[in-house]
Amino acid sequence: EADIYQTPRYLVIGTGKKITLECSQTMGHDKMYWYQQDPGMELHLIHYSYGVNSTEKGDLSSESTVSRIRTEHFPLTLESARPSHTSQYLCASSEGEGGYTFGSGTRLTVV
Amino acid sequence: SQQGEEDPQALSIQEGENATMNCSYKTSINNLQWYRQNSGRGLVHLILIRSNEREKHSGRLRVTLDTSKKSSSLLITASRAADTASYFCATDLQYGNKLVFGAGTILRVKS
Repeated sequence: EADIYQTPRYLVIGTGKKITLECSQTMGHDKMYWYQQDPGMELHLIHYSYGVNSTEKGDLSSESTVSRIRTEHFPLTLESARPSHTSQYLCASSEGEGGYTFGSGTRLTVV
Repeated sequence: SQQGEEDPQALSIQEGENATMNCSYKTSINNLQWYRQNSGRGLVHLILIRSNEREKHSGRLRVTLDTSKKSSSLLITASRAADTASYFCATDLQYGNKLVFGAGTILRVKS
């Protein structure tokens, strides 16, 4: 958990605001992922990247966008937040066929 | 669930007892991984078992994989209160190059 950082840890914002959730890793992993998780539920992949300038949408439809300009940085942006976006967002990275390293997550509440 | 389902959904045991969690999946995999998640935090990778392996050990953890039944089990021996967490299985699909998570098993170990 110490090698991948997510900020902020908690965020409460009003409907219609634009927000960016930050994710950075220091391990030099090429692959990075964003998952969405509601309390007590499974994780749903919303975006992933296999390297710089490579981004793909995941299995769960999401109104968010991502960018990968640097290997270590994979921010997620919501242009106009809605209450339905209230959830926990988890960032992860991996290398080869190994396990994923997850950040501590950002718990987002849209009011 | 898209791919994996854990059983049981919740498990409550006494400290010192063994805990067994099961995971079933639907399509061919490269490997299967188990993760732990403490309340409100990110996931921690526990163990990875490849599709050509049948059993793997790590400390108090024992994982089995039966590809003919498309199922896996995680055994935690001599459980401790600190093992209280949610446990997720995740499958690395043979055609997909990304992890798909199940809904998890909530384990409570009473001291």
